[in-house]
Amino acid sequence: EDQVTQSPEALRLQEGESSSLNCSYTVSGLRGLFWYRQDPGKGPEFLFTLYSAGEEKEKERLKATLTKKESFLHITAPKPEDSATYLCAARNSGYALNFGKGTSLLVTP
Amino acid sequence: DAGVTQSPTHLIKTRGQQVTLRCSPKSGHDTVSWYQQALGQGPQFIFQYYEEEERQRGNFPDRFSGHQFPNYSSELNVNALLLGDSALYLCASSWGDRNTEAFFGQGTRLTVV
Repeated sequence: EDQVTQSPEALRLQEGESSSLNCSYTVSGLRGLFWYRQDPGKGPEFLFTLYSAGEEKEKERLKATLTKKESFLHITAPKPEDSATYLCAARNSGYALNFGKGTSLLVTP
Repeated sequence: DAGVTQSPTHLIKTRGQQVTLRCSPKSGHDTVSWYQQALGQGPQFIFQYYEEEERQRGNFPDRFSGHQFPNYSSELNVNALLLGDSALYLCASSWGDRNTEAFFGQGTRLTVV
């Protein structure tokens, strides 16, 4: 059965303190690994899609990377406005996105 | 360019009632998926509609049904509501078969009392 696990569940960083969020997956025939940001009470906001091991994508202070078993979301010099829940999802040969439970990130000034 | 819009934003229903949630996809998108997100959990896939047909369904009972209209908008219907159906219901739209970038609406918060 396909599974997506995110760690840590919660992370508290000081402003400027870089870190990484982990998403490990077991999906047969991966057709895409997705990262979303979700603010409280809102819908997820699309960040990245990665398709093959070794692929990297960047957007402002965020960089996503993909291996055959894991994806990492690196946050460089975070700001308080980066505080949110970050969701990872994997798609197999079907059409559904299989989400992890998310990492709740808090960045303090 | 309007993104994915959902209505209503909040809803309170009584156990046993029926509810209909609505979704208009992002301009240019023809595929609509519905997800249920319980508090503190990731979204769970309910089903996806493409060309007015349900083309994949998640592990949800038949009380959950849907429809897609010719203009690509969609409805999610839930019958015989249970307390456990209380959640944030999310609609995601994408284009064609690739599902490369699925964009989500702001969700409908359903509370069953």
